[in-house]
Amino acid sequence: DIQLTQSPSFLSASVGDRVTITCRASQGISSYLAWYQQKPGKAPKLLIYAASTLQSGVPSRFSGSGSGTEFTLTISSLQPEDFATYYCQQLNSYPPLTFGGGTKVEIK
Amino acid sequence: EVQLVESGGGLVQPGGSLRLSCAASGFTFSSYAMHWVRQAPGKGLEYVSAISSNGGSTYYANSVKGRFTISRDNSKNTLYLQMGSLRAEDMAVYYCARPRGVRGTDAFDIWGQGTMVTVSS
Repeated sequence: DIQLTQSPSFLSASVGDRVTITCRASQGISSYLAWYQQKPGKAPKLLIYAASTLQSGVPSRFSGSGSGTEFTLTISSLQPEDFATYYCQQLNSYPPLTFGGGTKVEIK
Repeated sequence: EVQLVESGGGLVQPGGSLRLSCAASGFTFSSYAMHWVRQAPGKGLEYVSAISSNGGSTYYANSVKGRFTISRDNSKNTLYLQMGSLRAEDMAVYYCARPRGVRGTDAFDIWGQGTMVTVSS
């Protein structure tokens, strides 16, 4: 199975900061990667698929990049509603469609 | 409105059984593979099981293989997860999820609200 390693696992940032989260795959997955946002008590929400395509309705301050084994999720200017946990998911090798361990973004 | 609604969670003793349901509406359920994902308290997302659109193919994580059974009834637009020989480590919120497209490996754009399974004596 493909393993996904996210870093950092925890991030403290201020409103307006530029934030970058990394997801590394144990083997190449082309661009078959998605990013999700999850707030406490809620289901995950799809932000980005195919590594860099923004899901409909997601603010443009979110962006994704990368291919192969290294991917990044960037929030260009952190907003109060962006404090949440973010997960990557690989969609190249099925099954399973594994998730990364998550990155919690908290207010500094 | 495209929607998934889970039900069936609750408190069960170790070794017990439970059946989760996921009722789909607002889309052609029979065209989509479907997935179950769980999240233990304070932990990350774990991919648990999947079923093809016609039910002919299934997948189970090693952690649940032989104890859980995924199924679907396309006439009722409902996905199921029959859970048996439950352990403390199965305690989690269980989500059903639908991929964006009819290709089974699309990202999950629709999620249910989750149903909590508590395993305790």
